[in-house]
Amino acid sequence: ETGVTQSPTHLIKTRGQQVTLRCSSQSGHNTVSWYQQALGQGPQFIFQYYREEENGRGNFPPRFSGLQFPNYSSELNVNALELDDSALYLCASSLGGVTDTQYFGPGTRLTVL
Amino acid sequence: AQKITQTQPGMFVQEKEAVTLDCTYDTSDPSYGLFWYKQPSSGEMIFLIYQGSYDQQNATEGRYSLNFQKARKSANLVISASQLGDSAMYFCAMREGRVSGGYNKLIFGAGTRLAVHP
Repeated sequence: ETGVTQSPTHLIKTRGQQVTLRCSSQSGHNTVSWYQQALGQGPQFIFQYYREEENGRGNFPPRFSGLQFPNYSSELNVNALELDDSALYLCASSLGGVTDTQYFGPGTRLTVL
Repeated sequence: AQKITQTQPGMFVQEKEAVTLDCTYDTSDPSYGLFWYKQPSSGEMIFLIYQGSYDQQNATEGRYSLNFQKARKSANLVISASQLGDSAMYFCAMREGRVSGGYNKLIFGAGTRLAVHP
């Protein structure tokens, strides 16, 4: 196990609602990245937080936002949910360094009806 | 733009045999990192192996080895002595962005589904 945890495991929402997903990073890791994985596809980068600052963003609209806290845990918030937001949301933490390997949590499966 | 291509949607292998999963990449950055992850049906992305662009030797981690051919821009994963528990999706990924300062993102391929038969 990586030590990266995510909550909740599963979530069902209706279109137009808002959702918050949570991630606790591996001990000592200061960087958290969020990815969206639609069914049958590879993960797509949403954004990354480094020491509480957004440090890079993928091609996602502003209704996808996030936070990182002083203990390096993180939240992903999605407003005005759309049907296409249904996906597995993966959080990954990393330390930084030569390899900067990202270690993933188990994911949150979001279904938007 | 950086890109990862996995041309094998599905592969099967007999238990205890070796299997190679293909990955090609495209980048103009001289410094990059290549990763392989395993994703069982549970959904968690499990890190398997890493290869840096300046590494002289192919990476190995237990039964996993990475056949890195820089000139051909390929980074194939070799799994030796396949086990039933190896059945999963396998993703090749490339790191984009600088390593220092924390910023980097992974670009993933579409994945290869591996089935290990007894």
